[in-house]
Amino acid sequence: AQKITQTQPGMFVQEKEAVTLDCTYDTSDQSYGLFWYKQPSSGEMIFLIYQGSYDEQNATEGRYSLNFQKARKSANLVISASQLGDSAMYFCAMREGGTQGGSEKLVFGKGTKLTVNP
Amino acid sequence: ETGVTQSPTHLIKTRGQQVTLRCSSQSGHNTVSWYQQALGQGPQFIFQYYREEENGRGNFPPRFSGLQFPNYSSELNVNALELDDSALYLCASSFQMNTEAFFGQGTRLTVV
Repeated sequence: AQKITQTQPGMFVQEKEAVTLDCTYDTSDQSYGLFWYKQPSSGEMIFLIYQGSYDEQNATEGRYSLNFQKARKSANLVISASQLGDSAMYFCAMREGGTQGGSEKLVFGKGTKLTVNP
Repeated sequence: ETGVTQSPTHLIKTRGQQVTLRCSSQSGHNTVSWYQQALGQGPQFIFQYYREEENGRGNFPPRFSGLQFPNYSSELNVNALELDDSALYLCASSFQMNTEAFFGQGTRLTVV
């Protein structure tokens, strides 16, 4: 079963507008972390934002915010005031495993390609 | 820009050959993970090293192997290359196992 689902292969947004990228996840762990990464055409995965499963507040980092709905198992990324440089692939990822052993691997979705139009 | 550097950035190998990819961790990081990203897909976890020991492995055959050195740099070795091994290989380092991972720019491997 897919653990991270990103249902939007591609999204378009006008410059200066806000956009929401969807992510749903599946886990039976009580402790987990959710991440969003940006991958420009150069290939590097750039960390954007993190939400822990026990965090009560939605995470925010500058123009990025994470709309965390635990009961629905969704962790959507909201980008406000889009810029041309935001055009890239965006990946949602989940880290399972606690601190008592086991690997802390990240499980990624298939990504959403965001295009910001001028 | 993170402090994680990978080399080489690109390389082309022939099927059946062996390849070694290298990763220099960000200063102070003792955990390195390797991922394979096929074209159009998200990265897939290969394995993780913590303080020079393998600490978990994804669904990859034994011909994918790795090392972590005392300075926490790392190598990914792939033997008997197959065409399907063509991908972007990403290295990520973190301070501990359960903290934020920083990725390098990747090595793009093409097997012909």
